[in-house]
Amino acid sequence: ETGVTQTPRHLVMGMTNKKSLKCEQHLGHNAMYWYKQSAKKPLELMFVYNFKEQTENNSVPSRFSPECPNSSHLFLHLHTLQPEDSALYLCASSQQSRGTTGELFFGEGSRLTVL
Amino acid sequence: DQQVKQNSPSLSVQEGRISILNCDYTNSMFDYFLWYKKYPAEGPTFLISISSIKDKNEDGRFTVFLNKSAKHLSLHIVPSQPGDSAVYFCAASGGFGNEKLTFGTGTRLTIIP
Repeated sequence: ETGVTQTPRHLVMGMTNKKSLKCEQHLGHNAMYWYKQSAKKPLELMFVYNFKEQTENNSVPSRFSPECPNSSHLFLHLHTLQPEDSALYLCASSQQSRGTTGELFFGEGSRLTVL
Repeated sequence: DQQVKQNSPSLSVQEGRISILNCDYTNSMFDYFLWYKKYPAEGPTFLISISSIKDKNEDGRFTVFLNKSAKHLSLHIVPSQPGDSAVYFCAASGGFGNEKLTFGTGTRLTIIP
């Protein structure tokens, strides 16, 4: 069983649909992240949750809505997306504490296509 | 403004030879650097890291070199194997209190048998 699992692996949705991406981590970490990977661009940090509290929102449009019900689960709710939102969405987790330096464990990603 | 740059989008190396992947950064506050490896249809996986107090870190076939004055780091893989074919991402963080990672755009490494 991988440490960070994401579902679905592939998602195709229309611009008026509402869907959600799910992430679960089995590593006992206290921080979870959503990253976006678009072609020929760096991995873009979207949201960070530490102990279920959102600590970072990297100027992400409101059509992306994160939810972190507990330290093991993270959701990304999607609504009225645009075709340019098509990308690979990666979930990651880490153990944040004094002295740790940001080593992330990634899931396999959810490939999103917006028609 | 991209703070972590990987200027070579792709690199091809003969099997058995050395692969050298390069990364430059602009933020002098970065003090911890990591390399991630990504296969198609998988998430990135951590490969090796280096703290700014060191200039070299070695783990088996993988060695990372850090030149702080040039704000440059490199990943050396020797000998290169076909299974090393992947996209390699360089990442940097500001260390304690600023653990957020900033990633480069990646370099696709192809090992030619």
